[in-house]
Amino acid sequence: DAGVIQSPRHEVTEMGQEVTLRCKPISGHNSLFWYRQTMMRGLELLIYFNNNVPIDDSGMPEDRFSAKMPNASFSTLKIQPSEPRDSAVYFCASSRGTGGYEQYFGPGTRLTVT
Amino acid sequence: GQQVMQIPQYQHVQEGEDFTTYCNSSTTLSNIQWYKQRPGGHPVFLIQLVKSGEVKKQKRLTFQFGEAKKNSSLHITATQTTDVGTYFCRYGQNFVFGPGTRLSVLP
Repeated sequence: DAGVIQSPRHEVTEMGQEVTLRCKPISGHNSLFWYRQTMMRGLELLIYFNNNVPIDDSGMPEDRFSAKMPNASFSTLKIQPSEPRDSAVYFCASSRGTGGYEQYFGPGTRLTVT
Repeated sequence: GQQVMQIPQYQHVQEGEDFTTYCNSSTTLSNIQWYKQRPGGHPVFLIQLVKSGEVKKQKRLTFQFGEAKKNSSLHITATQTTDVGTYFCRYGQNFVFGPGTRLSVLP
């Protein structure tokens, strides 16, 4: 089975540009999570979906960040406009459910905003 | 709110030495999960503990859940260079990961 798929793997963009990160969860998983990882702040949960519905977006830093899950096999995380402090590795993870289920992480997208 | 602490933050060991990382919570936990992230990689699930006092083993790795379900430990016996990485605990009912313990193993 394919694992969680993320694209692009690397993204370099200039400040002010729009960035869209994509994720395809494991088939059959009904929960999807977006995380951001930096040296300073560690692994932070940004938002998670259950059955395509956003459940908790309290980790989204500000209005520049938005996430959608139009169907069970696809999600996007958008940053508009991007800023240098958004530079980080963004991970998508999926699981069979929320709570006590193990999470499967994608390879991540390394975002650099100059 | 619930606070998650992991100690130590960093650990450098000689290959063959043992290693232990601890995850401590201010409140009782329903369960706990451990993940490993290799340098440049992504977190990978290792194990989940649910019961008070539970102990589970995976080859050289031993995981323990405290009797009060407020702390957990991961112990590696006779470390190898393949054990290098950051070890995170995650509390199952919320999605907060601990800050992690970064392990380096000197050959």
